[in-house]
Parts: sequence; C-alpha cells; structure tokens
Amino acid sequence: AQSVTQLDSQVPVFEEAPVELRCNYSSSVSVYLFWYVQYPNQGLQLLLKYLSGSTLVKGINGFEAEFNKSQTSFHLRKPSVHISDTAEYFCAVGGNTGKLIFGQGTTLQVKP
Amino acid sequence: EAGVAQSPRYKIIEKRQSVAFWCNPISGHATLYWYQQILGQGPKLLIQFQNNGVVDDSQLPKDRFSAERLKGVDSTLKIQPAKLEDSAVYLCASSLSGTSGHEQYFGPGTRLTVT
Repeated sequence: AQSVTQLDSQVPVFEEAPVELRCNYSSSVSVYLFWYVQYPNQGLQLLLKYLSGSTLVKGINGFEAEFNKSQTSFHLRKPSVHISDTAEYFCAVGGNTGKLIFGQGTTLQVKP
Repeated sequence: EAGVAQSPRYKIIEKRQSVAFWCNPISGHATLYWYQQILGQGPKLLIQFQNNGVVDDSQLPKDRFSAERLKGVDSTLKIQPAKLEDSAVYLCASSLSGTSGHEQYFGPGTRLTVT
C-alpha cells in the first residue's frame, strides 16, 4: 500500500525567504512522486514530478525537489518565495496505473 | 489547448436529494479521473476510466455514487441520495493514458454543499 505524509499543515514565511515543504512517503512498489499546487477556487497544477533518473527535480515557478530513497522523502524547496506563491501544496505518490495518493496538504503563507 | 471543463462550479442541495456533475476532459485524453476533496484534506480518487471502461472504482461508495463515461469522452458523476458528509469539492482530471508518466490535468472542480 502507498501513503503520503506531509509533515507541516501550515508554513508561514516572509517574502524572499527560502522555504521547504516536507513530504514523506511509503510504498512497497516502484514509486513515482509529484508535487501539485492549488490556488484558491482552482484545480491542481503540477509543479514537478520524479519518475526516475536524477534525484534532484526542477519544476515550474522556481521550485525544486529532491528524491531521497533512504529517507523515503521528497521535500519541496524554493530559494526565494513571492507573495504569489501563497497557495496549498500537495505531495502525491503514484504507481503504474496512474492512480495518485495525495497527502493532506501544506498551506504556504507568504507574508510581505 | 482547452483545459478540463467541469460544471456546475457550485451546487447546494439538501440531504437525500440527488445531484450530478459533468466533466469534459482534454481532447484526446484516454484516461479520466474523479477525485473527492474534503475541506482540509488532499484529493481522494473515486473512480478512474480508461476510455469508457472502469479501471479502478475501489473507493467509490457504490450504494450512492455512480459514474459513467459512455462514449469515452465526457463523464458524469452522480450522487443519490446525498449525505451531509458528501460536502466536498469534486475534481475531474484527465491524462493521455493511465500511467504515472503522463501528467494529470485537473479541472476547477465542483463545490458541493449538502445541508
């Protein structure tokens, strides 16, 4: 069975500061990992994904994530956040069928 | 390229009433997903279609929920009768195929409130 745990429900940060959103996963099979962003009253948008290869994955809007198999983690990072990054962020794990298991979400609050 | 379309965007009904949601995926996408997102939680897959066949409906409460994708294009999700705990956002997503290598594109969702 697969599961995802997002370790922080809310992360407040000041504009232009770095941020890390933490995600741990559990999977007994080959794992594919994703980060999605959800702005208010909108659907989810893919930020980045890890399928195989390099463990450091770069995504849109300056975000990146690192796959760490030994620690079963896939933390999302951005070196300098903007007000416009305020949103809900979801980590997800997928298998071969395309089905995604999502974490509970982390609210990123960027303050001026 | 047009995105995933969903309607209605908002719906308020009383418990025990029925409701239906509609989704039109991106043209050419063979796989269609319906997710339920309860407030404060991540989306949970209800059902996955590959063309007009069901791939996974293990988490669909089949005593009250039904879904169809008759011509392998658009899809409807129905709840009958609705319960208070069905209040949630219902998200539709589509992808080229049912593998994790293909990105899932999400619609804006339908926010259902059951009173």
